[in-house]
Amino acid sequence: EDQVTQSPEALRLQEGESSSLNCSYTVSGLRGLFWYRQDPGKGPEFLFTLYSAGEEKEKERLKATLTKKESFLHITAPKPEDSATYLCAVQRGGSYIPTFGRGTSLIVHP
Amino acid sequence: DTGVSQDPRHKITKRGQNVTFRCDPISEHNRLYWYRQTLGQGPEFLTYFQNEAQLEKSRLLSDRFSAERPKGSFSTLEIQRTEQGDSAMYLCASSKGTGEQPQHFGDGTRLSIL
Repeated sequence: EDQVTQSPEALRLQEGESSSLNCSYTVSGLRGLFWYRQDPGKGPEFLFTLYSAGEEKEKERLKATLTKKESFLHITAPKPEDSATYLCAVQRGGSYIPTFGRGTSLIVHP
Repeated sequence: DTGVSQDPRHKITKRGQNVTFRCDPISEHNRLYWYRQTLGQGPEFLTYFQNEAQLEKSRLLSDRFSAERPKGSFSTLEIQRTEQGDSAMYLCASSKGTGEQPQHFGDGTRLSIL
């Protein structure tokens, strides 16, 4: 059974204080790892897809990396508007159904 | 591109009543998914359509839940004889039908059972 564990559950940062969120996974034949951002009362918003170990993707202050066992979402110099829950999901080969983690709730204080 | 649309956004009903939710996916997306999400949890898979065919249902999905996607366009999710435990956010997502495409989510329907 595919498993996704995200840590920490919650993270509080000061504006400008860089940090990383972790997504550890167990899946047979990873075909894709997805990062989403979810604001309160809203649906998840797609951020990145990573396909293979060593791959990196960037968008504004966010950078996602992937190894064979985990993915990191690095947040550089965060701003209060980066406050949200960040979800990680994995998809195995031959399946079109991702398995989601519980998410990391990020709060960035001004 | 108007995104994934869900209706209603909120539904309050009494235990034992039936409810139906609607999802309109992004027009060129042929895959459509339903998820349930409770506080502090990630989305939990319920069921998945490719075009009008329902290809997979969660083993955890009660037979009180049924979904349709007539003509491969919009989809409906019906819950019969609602229970307190059905209170959750019901999310719909759609994706293109090639490879490992990301899913695009609607803003969900929040169901509250009195």
